[in-house]
Amino acid sequence: DVKVTQSSRYLVKRTGEKVFLECVQDMDHENMFWYRQDPGLGLRLIYFSYDVKMKEKGDIPEGYSVSREKKERFSLILESASTNQTSMYLCASTLARRIYGYTFGSGTRLTVV
Amino acid sequence: AQTVTQSQPEMSVQEAETVTLSCTYDTSESDYYLFWYKQPPSRQMILVIRQEAYKQQNATENRFSVNFQKAAKSFSLKISDSQLGDAAMYFCAYTGGATNKLIFGTGTLLAVQP
Repeated sequence: DVKVTQSSRYLVKRTGEKVFLECVQDMDHENMFWYRQDPGLGLRLIYFSYDVKMKEKGDIPEGYSVSREKKERFSLILESASTNQTSMYLCASTLARRIYGYTFGSGTRLTVV
Repeated sequence: AQTVTQSQPEMSVQEAETVTLSCTYDTSESDYYLFWYKQPPSRQMILVIRQEAYKQQNATENRFSVNFQKAAKSFSLKISDSQLGDAAMYFCAYTGGATNKLIFGTGTLLAVQP
C-alpha cells in the first residue's frame, strides 16, 4: 500500500512563528498536494507539485509557500503563522495517471495561538 | 472553472437501509475522473469508488455504487445495507483536463442509526 506520512498529527504554534509541515510518500508518485480542510468549506487546494522543484499555486496560496527538493517529500511552510491559519492540513499524492486515485496522509491539526 | 457541489450537509440512515448522497459538478472537459472519498473520525481519507467519464457503466464496489449521469453532470453515491462503520464525512471530488488538481465538494456528514 502507498503510504503518505505527515510528520505531526497535532501542532500548536504561536502567531508570527515560521511553521513547517512535512509530508513524505513512499511510492514514487509524481504529484503531491497540500490541502486545507475547514468545516463547511471542504478541502481547498493550497499548492501542488508535479515534479521535483516544480510547484503551482492552488486556490488559496496566500500566506503559504512550499518546497519539493526530493520526489518523496513535499513541505508546506507558513512564513509567519496567523490565527486564521488554524486548520486541518492534509497532504496527498498521486501518480500521473490519476485514475489510480489520490492517497492522503492522516492530517495535521494546526492551532495558531 | 470546475466546481463540485454537495447540497446535503448532513444525512441520516437506519442500519441495513439504503442511502443516496448527491453530487453535481461543472466542467467543460471531456476527459475527467470522479471520486467519492470517506473520512471517518480518524481523519484518514479513504477512496470509496472512482469513475472514469468515458465509461458509461456505473462503478460498483461491494455495497457502494454510483449513478453517473454525464449529461446532467451528476455523480451520486448509493450505499446499500448501511453499517455503523459507514458513518463518516463523504466527499465528492473531480479531476480533469491538463491539471492534476483534485477539486472537492463541501462534504456530506452521514450518520447511521442502529
